[in-house]
Amino acid sequence: DAKTTQPPSMDCAEGRAANLPCNHSTISGNEYVYWYRQIHSQGPQYIIHGLKNNETNEMASLIITEDRKSSTLILPHATLRDTAVYYCIVRGNFNKFYFGSGTKLNVKP
Amino acid sequence: NAGVTQTPKFQVLKTGQSMTLQCAQDMNHNSMYWYRQDPGMGLRLIYYSASEGTTDKGEVPNGYNVSRLNKREFSLRLESAAPSQTSVYFCATRQGAGNTIYFGEGSWLTVV
Repeated sequence: DAKTTQPPSMDCAEGRAANLPCNHSTISGNEYVYWYRQIHSQGPQYIIHGLKNNETNEMASLIITEDRKSSTLILPHATLRDTAVYYCIVRGNFNKFYFGSGTKLNVKP
Repeated sequence: NAGVTQTPKFQVLKTGQSMTLQCAQDMNHNSMYWYRQDPGMGLRLIYYSASEGTTDKGEVPNGYNVSRLNKREFSLRLESAAPSQTSVYFCATRQGAGNTIYFGEGSWLTVV
């Protein structure tokens, strides 16, 4: 199963772009990259996912490198409400999703 | 539309007691999951069910049993609770390949 590596924490100024990196060097060709976030102790919330191409939705953009060994989640204009733990996930065998420890994003005024 | 409903939301157990966490979904999804999250940690997969009648172990299955008797419900049982099982438990569902996971609100379990 592909594993992911994320920095434990990051800071971002309110209104600026937050760029959250993720390494997944053992990813297989047909495995998607998913991003979720967890605010306080709520259930994780889906943000975005992609396979090869860059993706954008109303919440964020996902940039996947050409070799697919890493990706970056971009929150274009971070707000205080974006303070959360962000998880980068690669689906494992038999559709099991392994979350890892994530990145704690602190958005500061 | 309730989505994913977990019961109970809060529970305190004594060491050695047993209990079952219930999860029900109204989205007609095939796959269901149980995760646990210890304080300050990420989510760890306990068990997974691809469809009714099938289950598979995740990262931390020891001390737990699961049951997927129908498509809608996926229960997690602790036969003999231990303090190390104090955690927040999340149930989740997913429709199929390439789709996203939807989470319940969590069940807070304390074992004393």
